[in-house]
Amino acid sequence: GDSVTQMEGPVTLSEEAFLTINCTYTATGYPSLFWYVQYPGEGLQLLLKATKADDKGSNKGFEATYRKETTSFHLEKGSVQVSDSAVYFCALSKYNFNKFYFGSGTKLNVKP
Amino acid sequence: GAGVSQSPRYKVAKRGQDVALRCDPISGHVSLFWYQQALGQGPEFLTYFQNEAQLDKSGLPSDRFFAERPEGSVSTLKIQRTQQEDSAVYLCASSPRVDSSSYNEQFFGPGTRLTVL
Repeated sequence: GDSVTQMEGPVTLSEEAFLTINCTYTATGYPSLFWYVQYPGEGLQLLLKATKADDKGSNKGFEATYRKETTSFHLEKGSVQVSDSAVYFCALSKYNFNKFYFGSGTKLNVKP
Repeated sequence: GAGVSQSPRYKVAKRGQDVALRCDPISGHVSLFWYQQALGQGPEFLTYFQNEAQLDKSGLPSDRFFAERPEGSVSTLKIQRTQQEDSAVYLCASSPRVDSSSYNEQFFGPGTRLTVL
């Protein structure tokens, strides 16, 4: 079945470090891919998305490229800030965008 | 403006009790979704409404779980005869449009944390 696998956390980085959170997926057809973020005490928020192969989603300095050949959608940021500390979820959706499959989440801790 | 709200934020139930979890979507949003998030896991789809119609309930884990949205606005997720494995955060999300050919962002509420003793 359709699923998403992402790297386990927590990931601890110093401010201004480079961030990569790996995400791979298994799906038939042509899914759309997403990164959601959950800040402490808040609901899930869409961070970025890509709806077809080779698309790059970007927002708030974060980027992810939809790689069909490697079935991946890794999240990157060149210089993290303390305010980026949160849990990040990779997700996919197919067909009618009404059902999402989420990864298990990766907690990011950024230290000053 | 107001986002998706859920109540209660925390609920403790004894095994065997019935619980009802409420979701107030963003006003005017057509689509509403329920997810279950176990500790340390990502959200898992439970069910989906378009207005008052429940179009997909494939994720409901058993017949003890029941969801409704009678007037196409507020939704209630009911769990009968709760079990310990029902302990989780229950998330509600709403989306403004029905267009299934393109992505419609889902706006998530803060969730209800259910603990079954």
